[in-house]
Amino acid sequence: DQQVKQNSPSLSVQEGRISILNCDYTNSMFDYFLWYKKYPAEGPTFLISISSIKDKNEDGRFTVFLNKSAKHLSLHIVPSQPGDSAVYFCAASDRDDKIIFGKGTRLHILP
Amino acid sequence: GAGVSQSPSNKVTEKGKDVELRCDPISGHTALYWYRQRLGQGLEFLIYFQGNSAPDKSGLPSDRFSAERTGESVSTLTIQRTQQEDSAVYLCACWGGINTEAFFGQGTRLTVV
Repeated sequence: DQQVKQNSPSLSVQEGRISILNCDYTNSMFDYFLWYKKYPAEGPTFLISISSIKDKNEDGRFTVFLNKSAKHLSLHIVPSQPGDSAVYFCAASDRDDKIIFGKGTRLHILP
Repeated sequence: GAGVSQSPSNKVTEKGKDVELRCDPISGHTALYWYRQRLGQGLEFLIYFQGNSAPDKSGLPSDRFSAERTGESVSTLTIQRTQQEDSAVYLCACWGGINTEAFFGQGTRLTVV
């Protein structure tokens, strides 16, 4: 049973527009959420995180929004750039010291 | 070392052979995960080690797969009698605990021919 779900396996966005990647979770005990980015032939790298006490965290072009009542988080990339083409993984951790990853969404930035 | 190291980075093996993949985690990171990513597919959880607790093996796809970790150090993932469907990138990640990020190795690309 997937506790962290990324329902869109892929997403295509025009360069310069906003990319929105979505993630849903089922476990209400999750209190820390992360996004990772993965290029081909490389391991995933940490991108941005958010604690459950916040509903928004911003870092440059990247903003993560958390809606605890809906158990939903999203990653916004504005403006999207060609180098943003990658696979993005959502992850969540709980007090039992376990981190759970979603299966990923492949983002294509179109010229 | 400064990061998570996996070896080998690439492995080509004949069907039916055994392979062993290695992960050197960041010192002090008690949690260690193995994942695999098949071509064009998402991240698939395999196994999770946390300190001296019994590992969570719920993601291992068959009894041909096993993993070990001694204490909080190196982990090895062993695949016996490899099959072509085992071809994938095998990723190791370690985690320092709540409210921290997990760190991934660069992965081992396994090709079974």
